[in-house]
Amino acid sequence: GAGVSQSPSNKVTEKGKDVELRCDPISGHTALYWYRQRLGQGLEFLIYFQGNSAPDKSGLPSDRFSAERTGESVSTLTIQRTQQEDSAVYLCASSPLAGGEQFFGPGTRLTVL
Amino acid sequence: GIQVEQSPPDLILQEGANSTLRCNFSDSVNNLQWFHQNPWGQLINLFYIPSGTKQNGRLSATTVATERYSLLYISSSQTTDSGVYFCAVEWRDSSYKLIFGSGTRLLVRP
Repeated sequence: GAGVSQSPSNKVTEKGKDVELRCDPISGHTALYWYRQRLGQGLEFLIYFQGNSAPDKSGLPSDRFSAERTGESVSTLTIQRTQQEDSAVYLCASSPLAGGEQFFGPGTRLTVL
Repeated sequence: GIQVEQSPPDLILQEGANSTLRCNFSDSVNNLQWFHQNPWGQLINLFYIPSGTKQNGRLSATTVATERYSLLYISSSQTTDSGVYFCAVEWRDSSYKLIFGSGTRLLVRP
């Protein structure tokens, strides 16, 4: 079956603009996660959804970052007033249930000029 | 919080050689996953292994949860094995998020 998909694959934006990143999890997966990977580093957790609720938002770096999930499916990560330090690859993962094996999408590479 | 340390940070092998990658973690975990990040950035699931030993072709992994480490074995390495290998744990005291090590960067030369 289809894996996790993300769009766009690449996004270049100017400092101060807002961006939206989309994640389509594997069908039927109830848990969805967002991570960020800065160049040459490991992944940092941002937010976790169980269904449409976000029990853990502890990794969101600032109030410029927000995320939502609808229909227990697609999720959108929004970054307002982007800064250069937001440049990174944003990865989405899903799992059949909370605590299960996580499967990752290909990521969105965000570059803030 | 929990610390996840991977070693070695970098590894260069000649094609056909074997290697062992290590992941140490500082507290009890519910789950552990190994990933291969290929040169295009895609994270590929290798093992979901909270404890015990699993094998998949030339790769195998062992997690000894009571001693807080996991090992990834690569045998008869191939150039396509090149990339970064990440260990990630689900800490028992957190939500279901994964906490990643900093990775082992592997280069396999022909």
